[in-house]
Amino acid sequence: DSGVTQTPKHLITATGQRVTLRCSPRSGDLSVYWYQQSLDQGLQFLIQYYNGEERAKGNILERFSAQQFPDLHSELNLSSLELGDSALYFCASSARANTEAFFGQGTRLTVV
Amino acid sequence: KNEVEQSPQNLTAQEGEFITINCSYSVGISALHWLQQHPGGGIVSLFMLSSGKKKHGRLIATINIQEKHSSLHITASHPRDSAVYICAVVLFYGGATNKLIFGTGTLLAVQP
Repeated sequence: DSGVTQTPKHLITATGQRVTLRCSPRSGDLSVYWYQQSLDQGLQFLIQYYNGEERAKGNILERFSAQQFPDLHSELNLSSLELGDSALYFCASSARANTEAFFGQGTRLTVV
Repeated sequence: KNEVEQSPQNLTAQEGEFITINCSYSVGISALHWLQQHPGGGIVSLFMLSSGKKKHGRLIATINIQEKHSSLHITASHPRDSAVYICAVVLFYGGATNKLIFGTGTLLAVQP
């Protein structure tokens, strides 16, 4: 158990809908990262938050947004969902930037 | 050309064999992760290293920063080692900002 908790584990939704994925980092970790793993793209970095502030952005679509709350948990919001958004979404946390990252078990999103 | 290249993409070994997976990268990095992903999707961080060599049980990871190359070795391989092994490099932008860039992974199957 990495100490990083993601909910839900599985999510099935229809095209055009909006979903929220939740991540609770390891106790004391200030940095949270979101990644997308799809069959054709592999693992891709989406966004990093550190102590509530957005710090780095990767290949995150404008339809996607994230935030980190004062209790350090993070949410990834995906809207106007398309079939191609079906993927595994991972959250990871680390104590600070540039220290070892620990991954959650992922949320498997299926858009039908 | 991908910034992070892994080889081989697929590897089949017999139980007990010594296994090497290679990772080459073309960008300046502050550290490198080796990750393991089992069927079912969960990601486990095996190593994070920025220089030299680390050992954990039957796993050994090495990195040569000058040559931009890292290797993951598995000694006395076992069927439970069957998984996808992913190399990820850490791009550190200073302060609290960093992101990971992932290789495409090596699918390892260890046969009894």
